[in-house]
Amino acid sequence: GAVVSQHPSRVICKSGTSVKIECRSLDFQATTMFWYRQFPKQSLMLMATSNEGSKATYEQGVEKDKFLINHASLTLSTLTVTSAHPEDSSFYICSARDKLQGGTGELFFGEGSRLTVL
Amino acid sequence: GESVGLHLPTLSVQEGDNSIINCAYSNSASDYFIWYKQESGKGPQFIIDIRSNMDKRQGQRVTVLLNKTVKHLSLQIAATQPGDSAVYFCAESAYSGGYNKLIFGAGTRLAVHP
Repeated sequence: GAVVSQHPSRVICKSGTSVKIECRSLDFQATTMFWYRQFPKQSLMLMATSNEGSKATYEQGVEKDKFLINHASLTLSTLTVTSAHPEDSSFYICSARDKLQGGTGELFFGEGSRLTVL
Repeated sequence: GESVGLHLPTLSVQEGDNSIINCAYSNSASDYFIWYKQESGKGPQFIIDIRSNMDKRQGQRVTVLLNKTVKHLSLQIAATQPGDSAVYFCAESAYSGGYNKLIFGAGTRLAVHP
């Protein structure tokens, strides 16, 4: 099946620093990728839709200046948590849809990136 | 719908029994539904899906039932095994803001006891 890779899988940073998380589709091209955040014992909450070559679309309540998304190519989207604070500590998960399957194709998920802000 | 709780409900079953996990979705316009399994520290894993023009779909040991009238989805796991222990999420796909977005339900933790 299709593989989505996230890097790093775990990151610890100091408060006030910025952290970049990468999401790559390894064997398919993705026009659209999605970023989710998951707090402990809770569900996945959609943060934003990442669009190749254009601006991301953010869900209500998600600060676009804090969570910078760049979808520079058909296989890579990055999420940068700027000026991270302890409350940003969470599990960040990306997903991607094969562009050949159109808008209703199966979403493939990465293994997640756990961010801990000290 | 989206989770607002701090604790996932837990379903405890004996190994070999059948499990039924339920989910209520919120958007009557949703036309595609998926069940995911998530193990600790990992991303969601696709289990089975169903489109809104169907009310039942079967896979290997799993069956998904869809009741659009009451906006209810269920996942049935036959002969539950210890390896099935995980958190299970339903997700609904709806067209919004120019995209088909996947919105996750609250989740249920399945604990399988030997």
